[in-house]
Amino acid sequence: SAVISQKPSRDICQRGTSLTIQCQVDSQVTMMFWYRQQPGQSLTLIATANQGSEATYESGFVIDKFPISRPNLTFSTLTVSNMSPEDSSIYLCSALQPGKNIQYFGAGTRLSVL
Amino acid sequence: QKEVEQDPGPLSVPEGAIVSLNCTYSNSAFQYFMWYRQYSRKGPELLMYTYSSGNKEDGRFTAQVDKSSKYISLFIRDSQPSDSATYLCAMSEGGSQGNLIFGKGTKLSVKP
Repeated sequence: SAVISQKPSRDICQRGTSLTIQCQVDSQVTMMFWYRQQPGQSLTLIATANQGSEATYESGFVIDKFPISRPNLTFSTLTVSNMSPEDSSIYLCSALQPGKNIQYFGAGTRLSVL
Repeated sequence: QKEVEQDPGPLSVPEGAIVSLNCTYSNSAFQYFMWYRQYSRKGPELLMYTYSSGNKEDGRFTAQVDKSSKYISLFIRDSQPSDSATYLCAMSEGGSQGNLIFGKGTKLSVKP
């Protein structure tokens, strides 16, 4: 199984600023995903990040708010832009195991926006 | 109606009890069914993975899928305090896209 490192593990940010979250996988993977996990809610997919192409965003999420980079097969970043308190949440990245329909997750980034 | 329904609990059981966790779903195209365990302040970790209908056993854990009823279950035998966590069901239609739909998770507490 893939080992996924995510950082920062937590942060407290001011309204109007931006935070970039990094996700590193210990092996090459084609597909990486970014999720948001709010208290009492299901994990919600923000976008799918494929290397060499633009990220695909789910309904309700836009590139201007959540720009994503995927420069190679082991790394991705998610930026939460122009933050408001409503963006306070846990953000998780995952990677799809090649050849199987299984996702492995990082430990998450706990974001609080004041 | 949400695609995946899961009772959020919390569920509290004594050590040694058999735990039953369940999810229902509405999309008959789902083919892959997973259970993830998430400890507090950690990311979800894959616990069980099942393709299509049937049972799968791994140690104290058994996953069941009943596609005719659109119902999946996770049983934990001889539950331990270390099993205390939130259990998330997840499912997908398959292919290589990995588009998982999650339940809200059930918070389980196993008391010594």
